[in-house]
Amino acid sequence: DQQVKQNSPSLSVQEGRISILNCDYTNSMFDYFLWYKKYPAEGPTFLISISSIKDKNEDGRFTVFLNKSAKHLSLHIVPSQPGDSAVYFCAARGGATNKLIFGTGTLLAVQP
Amino acid sequence: GAVVSQHPSRVICKSGTSVKIECRSLDFQATTMFWYRQFPKKSLMLMATSNEGSKATYEQGVEKDKFLINHASLTLSTLTVTSAHPEDSSFYICSAIKDGTSNSPLHFGNGTRLTVT
Repeated sequence: DQQVKQNSPSLSVQEGRISILNCDYTNSMFDYFLWYKKYPAEGPTFLISISSIKDKNEDGRFTVFLNKSAKHLSLHIVPSQPGDSAVYFCAARGGATNKLIFGTGTLLAVQP
Repeated sequence: GAVVSQHPSRVICKSGTSVKIECRSLDFQATTMFWYRQFPKKSLMLMATSNEGSKATYEQGVEKDKFLINHASLTLSTLTVTSAHPEDSSFYICSAIKDGTSNSPLHFGNGTRLTVT
């Protein structure tokens, strides 16, 4: 049972444009959501997070939006840069534990 | 920052042998660490939660006798893959959360690529 889903396995965007990565979840107990960036053969790097009491969090070029009623979150990167090319994972946490449940990942390719 | 160091980064071993992977939190204490496994082009699958001073909590389907976890101190957790088989070949990643912080991200090590021949 995949509790966190990223339905787009890949996304290609032109440099300077906006990248929008989407994530859906099924568990209503999740109350903290995160986005990680990952390169091959490396551990994930934390990008940005959002608590369920908010609907938007912004950090530089990265903005995360949360729609609790739809159980959907998205990561906006603007402007996109070639160095942003990587696999992006959304993750969720909630309930009594600190464990993170990861989505399936989206490979972002930013074309120069 | 919060740095997590994982060692070794790559290991090749023969079938039937055991391999130990270390995960250290370098600049913070971590009562809890997590071990993940990633198959090629797949998501990160949580294997177990490592608790300092007590037994690890394993996720469903993960063999606790095969993947031995020891959380010996507040800065060190080890994962030992016992009697390794080729199907254990994978990318193993540890992570930790700073103690005393709520709503904080997990910080990940750089992973260990295990190849069993």
